[in-house]
Amino acid sequence: AQSVTQPDIHITVSEGASLELRCNYSYGATPYLFWYVQSPGQGLQLLLKYFSGDTLVQGIKGFEAEFKRSQSSFNLRKPSVHWSDAAEYFCAVGAGTYKYIFGTGTRLKVLA
Amino acid sequence: DTEVTQTPKHLVMGMTNKKSLKCEQHMGHRAMYWYKQKAKKPPELMFVYSYEKLSINESVPSRFSPECPNSSLLNLHLHALQPEDSALYLCASSRLAGGNEQFFGPGTRLTVL
Repeated sequence: AQSVTQPDIHITVSEGASLELRCNYSYGATPYLFWYVQSPGQGLQLLLKYFSGDTLVQGIKGFEAEFKRSQSSFNLRKPSVHWSDAAEYFCAVGAGTYKYIFGTGTRLKVLA
Repeated sequence: DTEVTQTPKHLVMGMTNKKSLKCEQHMGHRAMYWYKQKAKKPPELMFVYSYEKLSINESVPSRFSPECPNSSLLNLHLHALQPEDSALYLCASSRLAGGNEQFFGPGTRLTVL
């Protein structure tokens, strides 16, 4: 079955610390992979995407993600977290032309 | 213009009211989407329009009625809603080739009394 797992429901990091948010997927074909961020009461903003090619992709706001086919993972990283990064983060797999399979989300809290 | 706009930002309605949500994009995207999002959950797909035609209806109750008047506009007409329909309603758009990254609007926060 197609699925996306974000194992961490909540993560708390100190400002300036590094961050890694985990995403594992189960999908039959080569996946299109996405990370989105959502601030409270707002829409989803696309951070980065992987379609093919270089497995390390750079996104906006200093985020990057690495596609590891052997581990079926697409983890999101940031070397130094800012207080404004506190938000909900969703990993998604593109399942066909229109549909996304979303993970359940990881809520990031940043300590000053 | 890389923005999807939605109006209104907030909407409170009674169960007997009729209201509409509006979504607009000027990115030339030919696919447009409605999602429903409950608190602390990922968005759930409701409808997809492709080239102004309804392509996907995820078994949404008929009290939700989508409309795509042209390639830039998407409406969601609401009638006889239930309190459990209170949620954040998100609109999104995407191209139909080269990957399907979706661009989301800010959402309409709907409260049904």
